[in-house]
Amino acid sequence: QLVLTQSPSASASLGASVKLTCTLSSGHSSYAIAWHQQQPEKGPRYLMKLNSDGSHSKGDGIPDRFSGSSSGAERYLTISSLQSEDEADYYCQTWGTGIQWVFGGGTKLTVL
Amino acid sequence: QVQLQESGPGLVKPSETLSLTCAVSGYSISSGYYWGWIRQPPGKGLEWIGSIYHSGSTYYNPSLKSRVTISVDTSKNQFSLKLSSVTAADTAVYYCARHTPETPLYWGQGTLVTVSS
Repeated sequence: QLVLTQSPSASASLGASVKLTCTLSSGHSSYAIAWHQQQPEKGPRYLMKLNSDGSHSKGDGIPDRFSGSSSGAERYLTISSLQSEDEADYYCQTWGTGIQWVFGGGTKLTVL
Repeated sequence: QVQLQESGPGLVKPSETLSLTCAVSGYSISSGYYWGWIRQPPGKGLEWIGSIYHSGSTYYNPSLKSRVTISVDTSKNQFSLKLSSVTAADTAVYYCARHTPETPLYWGQGTLVTVSS
């Protein structure tokens, strides 16, 4: 079964960097994922599509501070030079055949 | 810039039909892409409900298929969701989105629908 696992929470200081992790279930390590950001009281925002080789394509207007990388079944979202507006929930998401989406449980990022 | 805005009743009675509309600006629905609905119950994860392709083909989550209808009105550049026979389990924030088969690219801000008598 295709499952995405995320840590429920993370924190980092203003101006620092943070790396969020999304883990694909066994047998699915070749899958690409997408990262979405949801700021408080707002709808989600597509950040990027991240492939298994670490290549990624970002959505419109996504700052260079956001980048993605991959290692095995792990997919990472790195945010550098953290700003207060980066405090949000971050969801990873993947897909099967057709429109069969699977979402991770989300990571709540706190900027200290 | 593509913008999506959900609208509809915030309160629906059990066993009735939930109806929502997503108004799209900055892009013509008939030009392409899929247009879908996703929901998030309070404190829970995101769930895809269903989608309509710009050509009119529809795709539904198998777990909701018997209760869901998605339609499009290209003259108003909007698409709609109907979910019948609702229960408290259908209480959620409902989002509309423009998407590819792989992922949503643009999301609406969401609207909370509560099912309660």
